[in-house]
Amino acid sequence: DARVTQTPRHKVTEMGQEVTMRCQPILGHNTVFWYRQTMMQGLELLAYFRNRAPLDDSGMPKDRFSAEMPDATLATLKIQPSEPRDSAVYFCASGSPYAGGPGTGELFFGEGSRLTVL
Amino acid sequence: DAKTTQPNSMESNEEEPVHLPCNHSTISGTDYIHWYRQLPSQGPEYVIHGLTSNVNNRMASLAIAEDRKSSTLILHRATLRDAAVYYCILATSGTYKYIFGTGTRLKVLA
Repeated sequence: DARVTQTPRHKVTEMGQEVTMRCQPILGHNTVFWYRQTMMQGLELLAYFRNRAPLDDSGMPKDRFSAEMPDATLATLKIQPSEPRDSAVYFCASGSPYAGGPGTGELFFGEGSRLTVL
Repeated sequence: DAKTTQPNSMESNEEEPVHLPCNHSTISGTDYIHWYRQLPSQGPEYVIHGLTSNVNNRMASLAIAEDRKSSTLILHRATLRDAAVYYCILATSGTYKYIFGTGTRLKVLA
């Protein structure tokens, strides 16, 4: 079964530390999304890439967050420095939403990375 | 970005049909309507999507109003495993953003 793989599944760190979350999208998918989920805000879209190029990162705090796709098999989300308010579950999703035209594709989500910043 | 409105929660009895409504009055002509659900401690999973016509798949049916300002996800026979948060999303034309709202928490009673 093809699936989106995220690491780490759980991370506990102290305020000020750098955190890197990794995502391996499903082979052949050309679009990768990063979402953050908290009880207060729900699922927020942070950034998304198409063919490894960033299309939109307007949902991401620019001063401390950065997202990249070094190659087609790896997407990273980095927080530096981390703060307690960054505690959340971070989801990566991949898909090919352009295959049948805009908005037609299914997104496949990973199991998430649960981040706790003390 | 076009927005959706869903009830916060709904209840259903097991093995009965469930109709989950979604309002999207500002939908544009090329926006697709998607439904995802999130089971406890899991990432969201795709349920169904459509543009204008009603759609059926093995999981559910999607009924889209003629004016496209609302839609309804239909689970034909709810099971305990269908207890989840159901999200109605508009795939925003031109930007390809998938913006999740607050969703409807479905509780299925045995």
